[in-house]
Amino acid sequence: DAKTTQPPSMDCAEGRAANLPCNHSTISGNEYVYWYRQIHSQGPQYIIHGLKNNETNEMASLIITEDRKSSTLILPHATLRDTAVYYCIVRVLMDSSYKLIFGSGTRLLVRP
Amino acid sequence: DSGVTQTPKHLITATGQRVTLRCSPRSGDLSVYWYQQSLDQGLQFLIQYYNGEERAKGNILERFSAQQFPDLHSELNLSSLELGDSALYFCASSISIGGTNEQFFGPGTRLTVL
Repeated sequence: DAKTTQPPSMDCAEGRAANLPCNHSTISGNEYVYWYRQIHSQGPQYIIHGLKNNETNEMASLIITEDRKSSTLILPHATLRDTAVYYCIVRVLMDSSYKLIFGSGTRLLVRP
Repeated sequence: DSGVTQTPKHLITATGQRVTLRCSPRSGDLSVYWYQQSLDQGLQFLIQYYNGEERAKGNILERFSAQQFPDLHSELNLSSLELGDSALYFCASSISIGGTNEQFFGPGTRLTVL
Protein backbone atom coordinates (compact mmCIF):
# COMPACT_ATOMS: atom_id res chain seq x y z
CA ASP A 1 0.00 0.00 0.00
CA ALA A 2 1.08 3.54 -0.71
CA LYS A 3 2.47 5.38 2.28
CA THR A 4 1.31 8.79 1.09
CA THR A 5 -1.88 10.83 1.07
CA GLN A 6 -2.55 13.52 -1.51
CA PRO A 7 -5.58 15.62 -2.41
CA PRO A 8 -7.30 14.12 -5.45
CA SER A 9 -7.34 17.33 -7.44
CA MET A 10 -6.10 20.92 -7.47
CA ASP A 11 -5.99 23.78 -9.87
CA CYS A 12 -3.95 26.91 -10.33
CA ALA A 13 -3.65 29.77 -12.79
CA GLU A 14 -1.03 29.75 -15.49
CA GLY A 15 2.08 31.65 -14.43
CA ARG A 16 1.38 31.22 -10.75
CA ALA A 17 3.08 28.82 -8.38
CA ALA A 18 1.48 25.42 -7.90
CA ASN A 19 1.94 24.00 -4.42
CA LEU A 20 1.10 20.29 -4.18
CA PRO A 21 0.95 18.87 -0.64
CA CYS A 22 1.67 15.32 0.45
CA ASN A 23 1.36 13.57 3.80
CA HIS A 24 3.66 10.68 4.65
CA SER A 25 3.33 10.42 8.41
CA THR A 26 4.64 6.82 8.62
CA ILE A 27 7.84 7.49 6.70
CA SER A 28 10.97 5.90 8.12
CA GLY A 29 14.20 7.76 8.73
CA ASN A 30 16.00 6.43 5.68
CA GLU A 31 13.11 6.49 3.20
CA TYR A 32 13.20 9.00 0.40
CA VAL A 33 10.28 11.00 -0.97
CA TYR A 34 9.99 10.98 -4.76
CA TRP A 35 7.70 12.96 -7.03
CA TYR A 36 6.65 11.84 -10.48
CA ARG A 37 4.05 13.16 -12.84
CA GLN A 38 2.02 11.56 -15.60
CA ILE A 39 0.67 13.60 -18.48
CA HIS A 40 -2.37 11.96 -20.08
CA SER A 41 -1.45 8.29 -20.49
CA GLN A 42 2.25 8.84 -21.07
CA GLY A 43 4.87 7.11 -18.95
CA PRO A 44 5.41 8.73 -15.55
CA GLN A 45 8.15 11.35 -15.53
CA TYR A 46 10.59 11.82 -12.67
CA ILE A 47 10.51 15.29 -11.12
CA ILE A 48 12.53 15.39 -7.92
CA HIS A 49 13.36 13.49 -4.75
CA GLY A 50 14.63 14.27 -1.26
CA LEU A 51 15.40 12.82 2.15
CA LYS A 52 15.30 15.63 4.69
CA ASN A 53 16.69 18.78 3.12
CA ASN A 54 14.81 20.96 0.70
CA GLU A 55 15.72 20.27 -2.91
CA THR A 56 15.48 22.28 -6.12
CA ASN A 57 16.10 21.43 -9.72
CA GLU A 58 15.14 22.89 -13.08
CA MET A 59 11.62 21.52 -12.84
CA ALA A 60 10.53 22.08 -9.25
CA SER A 61 11.33 22.56 -5.59
CA LEU A 62 10.65 20.05 -2.83
CA ILE A 63 10.05 21.27 0.69
CA ILE A 64 10.12 18.58 3.40
CA THR A 65 9.00 19.43 6.92
CA GLU A 66 11.46 19.02 9.75
CA ASP A 67 9.59 16.00 11.15
CA ARG A 68 9.49 14.56 7.60
CA LYS A 69 5.80 13.75 7.92
CA SER A 70 4.80 15.89 4.99
CA SER A 71 6.21 17.61 1.96
CA THR A 72 5.22 20.10 -0.73
CA LEU A 73 6.13 20.08 -4.38
CA ILE A 74 6.35 23.58 -5.82
CA LEU A 75 6.13 24.35 -9.53
CA PRO A 76 7.23 27.99 -9.45
CA HIS A 77 5.57 29.20 -12.65
CA ALA A 78 2.99 26.69 -13.79
CA THR A 79 2.26 26.39 -17.50
CA LEU A 80 -0.56 24.64 -19.33
CA ARG A 81 1.85 21.80 -20.06
CA ASP A 82 2.14 21.13 -16.33
CA THR A 83 -1.43 19.82 -16.29
CA ALA A 84 -0.92 16.22 -15.16
CA VAL A 85 -1.37 13.74 -12.33
CA TYR A 86 1.35 14.25 -9.73
CA TYR A 87 2.43 11.31 -7.60
CA CYS A 88 4.13 11.67 -4.25
CA ILE A 89 5.89 8.40 -3.43
CA VAL A 90 7.83 7.08 -0.49
CA ARG A 91 10.43 4.71 -1.84
CA VAL A 92 10.36 1.51 0.21
CA LEU A 93 12.83 -1.33 0.60
CA MET A 94 11.29 -4.67 -0.37
CA ASP A 95 13.09 -7.92 -1.12
CA SER A 96 16.47 -6.17 -0.84
CA SER A 97 15.46 -3.76 -3.58
CA TYR A 98 13.90 -0.32 -3.60
CA LYS A 99 10.35 0.05 -4.88
CA LEU A 100 8.14 2.94 -5.91
CA ILE A 101 4.62 2.30 -4.65
CA PHE A 102 2.32 4.68 -6.50
CA GLY A 103 -0.82 6.02 -4.86
CA SER A 104 -3.72 7.85 -6.47
CA GLY A 105 -1.88 11.13 -6.99
CA THR A 106 -3.16 14.69 -7.38
CA ARG A 107 -4.68 15.74 -10.66
CA LEU A 108 -3.40 19.27 -11.28
CA LEU A 109 -5.25 21.45 -13.74
CA VAL A 110 -3.47 24.61 -14.84
CA ARG A 111 -6.00 27.21 -16.02
CA PRO A 112 -5.22 29.75 -18.75
CA ASP B 1 12.10 11.07 -24.43
CA SER B 2 13.23 8.94 -21.48
CA GLY B 3 15.43 6.63 -23.56
CA VAL B 4 13.29 3.61 -22.65
CA THR B 5 11.53 2.01 -25.60
CA GLN B 6 8.54 -0.30 -25.58
CA THR B 7 6.92 -2.27 -28.35
CA PRO B 8 4.29 -2.59 -29.54
CA LYS B 9 2.54 0.67 -28.76
CA HIS B 10 -0.91 -0.88 -29.05
CA LEU B 11 -2.03 -4.48 -28.92
CA ILE B 12 -5.53 -5.82 -29.42
CA THR B 13 -6.20 -9.47 -28.80
CA ALA B 14 -8.88 -11.89 -27.65
CA THR B 15 -9.52 -13.60 -24.35
CA GLY B 16 -7.48 -16.74 -23.82
CA GLN B 17 -4.64 -15.57 -26.02
CA ARG B 18 -0.99 -14.97 -25.13
CA VAL B 19 1.03 -11.83 -25.88
CA THR B 20 4.58 -10.63 -25.36
CA LEU B 21 5.50 -7.05 -24.55
CA ARG B 22 9.03 -5.87 -25.11
CA CYS B 23 11.13 -3.26 -23.34
CA SER B 24 14.58 -1.87 -24.06
CA PRO B 25 16.08 0.03 -21.11
CA ARG B 26 18.15 3.19 -21.32
CA SER B 27 21.72 2.61 -22.34
CA GLY B 28 23.70 1.63 -19.27
CA ASP B 29 20.71 0.80 -17.09
CA LEU B 30 20.84 -2.66 -15.57
CA SER B 31 17.51 -2.74 -13.77
CA VAL B 32 14.12 -3.12 -15.44
CA TYR B 33 10.72 -2.77 -13.79
CA TRP B 34 7.27 -3.63 -15.13
CA TYR B 35 4.08 -1.84 -14.07
CA GLN B 36 0.43 -2.26 -14.94
CA GLN B 37 -1.95 0.69 -15.01
CA SER B 38 -5.64 -0.03 -15.25
CA LEU B 39 -8.48 2.42 -14.72
CA ASP B 40 -9.56 1.03 -11.38
CA GLN B 41 -6.19 0.02 -9.92
CA GLY B 42 -3.78 2.81 -10.76
CA LEU B 43 -0.10 2.07 -11.30
CA GLN B 44 0.78 -1.35 -9.88
CA PHE B 45 4.32 -2.69 -9.64
CA LEU B 46 4.57 -6.13 -11.21
CA ILE B 47 8.16 -7.34 -11.25
CA GLN B 48 11.77 -6.21 -11.33
CA TYR B 49 14.89 -7.61 -12.97
CA TYR B 50 18.48 -6.64 -12.41
CA ASN B 51 21.21 -7.71 -14.81
CA GLY B 52 19.24 -10.72 -15.95
CA GLU B 53 18.01 -11.91 -12.57
CA GLU B 54 14.62 -11.49 -10.97
CA ARG B 55 14.93 -9.24 -7.93
CA ALA B 56 11.43 -8.55 -6.69
CA LYS B 57 7.84 -9.39 -7.37
CA GLY B 58 4.83 -7.22 -6.80
CA ASN B 59 1.22 -7.87 -7.73
CA ILE B 60 2.01 -10.10 -10.67
CA LEU B 61 -0.44 -12.85 -11.59
CA GLU B 62 0.75 -16.42 -12.14
CA ARG B 63 -0.45 -16.13 -15.75
CA PHE B 64 2.17 -13.41 -16.26
CA SER B 65 5.90 -13.94 -16.48
CA ALA B 66 8.91 -11.90 -17.46
CA GLN B 67 12.56 -12.24 -18.24
CA GLN B 68 15.57 -10.07 -18.90
CA PHE B 69 18.00 -11.12 -21.60
CA PRO B 70 21.82 -10.80 -21.74
CA ASP B 71 21.49 -7.63 -23.82
CA LEU B 72 19.34 -6.29 -20.93
CA HIS B 73 16.11 -5.96 -22.87
CA SER B 74 13.11 -7.45 -21.12
CA GLU B 75 9.91 -9.17 -22.14
CA LEU B 76 6.65 -9.47 -20.25
CA ASN B 77 4.56 -12.48 -21.24
CA LEU B 78 0.84 -12.44 -20.54
CA SER B 79 -1.10 -15.66 -21.10
CA SER B 80 -4.69 -16.89 -20.84
CA LEU B 81 -5.72 -13.29 -21.20
CA GLU B 82 -8.88 -12.05 -19.56
CA LEU B 83 -10.91 -8.89 -20.15
CA GLY B 84 -9.54 -7.48 -16.90
CA ASP B 85 -5.99 -7.61 -18.22
CA SER B 86 -6.78 -4.68 -20.50
CA ALA B 87 -4.46 -1.94 -19.27
CA LEU B 88 -1.43 0.17 -19.98
CA TYR B 89 1.80 -1.70 -19.31
CA PHE B 90 4.86 0.39 -18.52
CA CYS B 91 8.45 -0.58 -18.35
CA ALA B 92 10.96 1.51 -16.41
CA SER B 93 14.71 1.28 -16.03
CA SER B 94 17.32 2.50 -13.61
CA ILE B 95 21.07 2.21 -13.36
CA SER B 96 21.04 -0.05 -10.33
CA ILE B 97 18.75 -1.28 -7.60
CA GLY B 98 19.98 0.88 -4.77
CA GLY B 99 21.10 4.39 -4.12
CA THR B 100 18.78 7.16 -5.15
CA ASN B 101 18.62 6.33 -8.82
CA GLU B 102 15.34 7.40 -10.31
CA GLN B 103 13.36 5.16 -12.63
CA PHE B 104 12.86 6.25 -16.21
CA PHE B 105 9.60 5.12 -17.74
CA GLY B 106 8.87 4.10 -21.30
CA PRO B 107 5.83 5.26 -23.28
CA GLY B 108 3.86 2.11 -22.45
CA THR B 109 1.99 -0.59 -24.35
CA ARG B 110 -1.78 -0.32 -24.40
CA LEU B 111 -3.28 -3.80 -24.28
CA THR B 112 -6.92 -4.32 -25.15
CA VAL B 113 -8.43 -7.75 -24.59
CA LEU B 114 -11.75 -8.30 -26.38
